[in-house]
Amino acid sequence: DGGITQSPKYLFRKEGQNVTLSCEQNLNHDAMYWYRQDPGQGLRLIYYSQIVNDFQKGDIAEGYSVSREKKESFPLTVTSAQKNPTAFYLCASSTGHNHGYTFGSGTRLTVV
Amino acid sequence: AQSVTQLGSHVSVSEGALVLLRCNYSSSVPPYLFWYVQYPNQGLQLLLKYTSAATLVKGINGFEAEFKKSETSFHLTKPSAHMSDAAEYFCAVSDHRNTGNQFYFGTGTSLTVIP
Repeated sequence: DGGITQSPKYLFRKEGQNVTLSCEQNLNHDAMYWYRQDPGQGLRLIYYSQIVNDFQKGDIAEGYSVSREKKESFPLTVTSAQKNPTAFYLCASSTGHNHGYTFGSGTRLTVV
Repeated sequence: AQSVTQLGSHVSVSEGALVLLRCNYSSSVPPYLFWYVQYPNQGLQLLLKYTSAATLVKGINGFEAEFKKSETSFHLTKPSAHMSDAAEYFCAVSDHRNTGNQFYFGTGTSLTVIP
């Protein structure tokens, strides 16, 4: 079955370290997205990509970086410049405006 | 710009009672509208969507929503709540004119079902 796989499900990071969250899809979707979710704040867009080798900043891109070298993959790196990285991170993909998103199961990042 | 407002961050209903979760949108053109459900520590799952066909949309798990242009609303309903409906619900709007970021989410409504 097609879907989006996020790994790992839980991730612990020491302050000052960079970490990379994986997102892989086999839906043949062109567009992919990264959201951050904090309690009471809904979903906030970090980065999105509509095509391979191209991506755009979302509303809260500072302290994050992405790459889109393959259609199937859209990894997110949380850098040491992100001052408050503890959150639930969701990856999504889409094939068009009228189809909605398909979401991964999320990665919970905790800074220790 | 598009925006979505979900009235009530927390809603509690008794098991078997009507579920009503409110969503209002702002858009200068007819949008595409969606409802998603999220269970704890999971991703979002599509419940239903409106894409300019029938104004009453039926989704999974007995949920439905009605698009009302005059009220700019897309409220989610279910006639009889079940314990398994307890979750976070998100309304979203898509701007088909925008070739960049496509979707805008509300801040969510947490549904509690009381036995």
